[in-house]
Amino acid sequence: QKEVEQNSGPLSVPEGAIASLNCTYSDRGSQSFFWYRQYSGKSPELIMFIYSNGDKEDGRFTAQLNKASQYVSLLIRDSQPSDSATYLCAVKGGDDKIIFGKGTRLHILP
Amino acid sequence: DAGVIQSPRHEVTEMGQEVTLRCKPISGHDYLFWYRQTMMRGLELLIYFNNNVPIDDSGMPEDRFSAKMPNASFSTLKIQPSEPRDSAVYFCASSLVPQPQHFGDGTRLSIL
Repeated sequence: QKEVEQNSGPLSVPEGAIASLNCTYSDRGSQSFFWYRQYSGKSPELIMFIYSNGDKEDGRFTAQLNKASQYVSLLIRDSQPSDSATYLCAVKGGDDKIIFGKGTRLHILP
Repeated sequence: DAGVIQSPRHEVTEMGQEVTLRCKPISGHDYLFWYRQTMMRGLELLIYFNNNVPIDDSGMPEDRFSAKMPNASFSTLKIQPSEPRDSAVYFCASSLVPQPQHFGDGTRLSIL
């Protein structure tokens, strides 16, 4: 059973600090990795994707991938109260199936 | 540009009834996905289409579930007969690539 694991949280971070969200996956053949943000009662929205080992930056967001450790993370710099949401990690395995983690709830403290 | 449109937004029905959920993808998107989200199981792929053809329906729970995409601008997910354990939020998503990019607002389904 291929799995994508995330800490459910809530992760509480002071406003202006860096929020670090982590995700591990079991399928070593995985090639593509995605982060979605989901506000309470709303639908998921794609915010980042990464295919290669290393870092990928987009504004305040940085995705980090370490395939050897089967680990992907999302860093949010200068956290804002509007960043409070559930963050879903999704992994596309070697069989092209996309599996979502159950998400980490992030709470930015004003 | 209109996003993915789902209807109805909420559905409450009794066990045993037929339920039909509808989705209009973003124009020009070749991929359409149906997902189900619950607290216990998270977001699960039920089925996805490419150019109106079902590609992977391995996530469809059982024969009570069926999905169709008769044309590029419309898809349905049908549950017959419905059961209380089908209660969930059902999302439709469309994309230009084989991963979900744009989700609809979802249908919150309650089976009593």
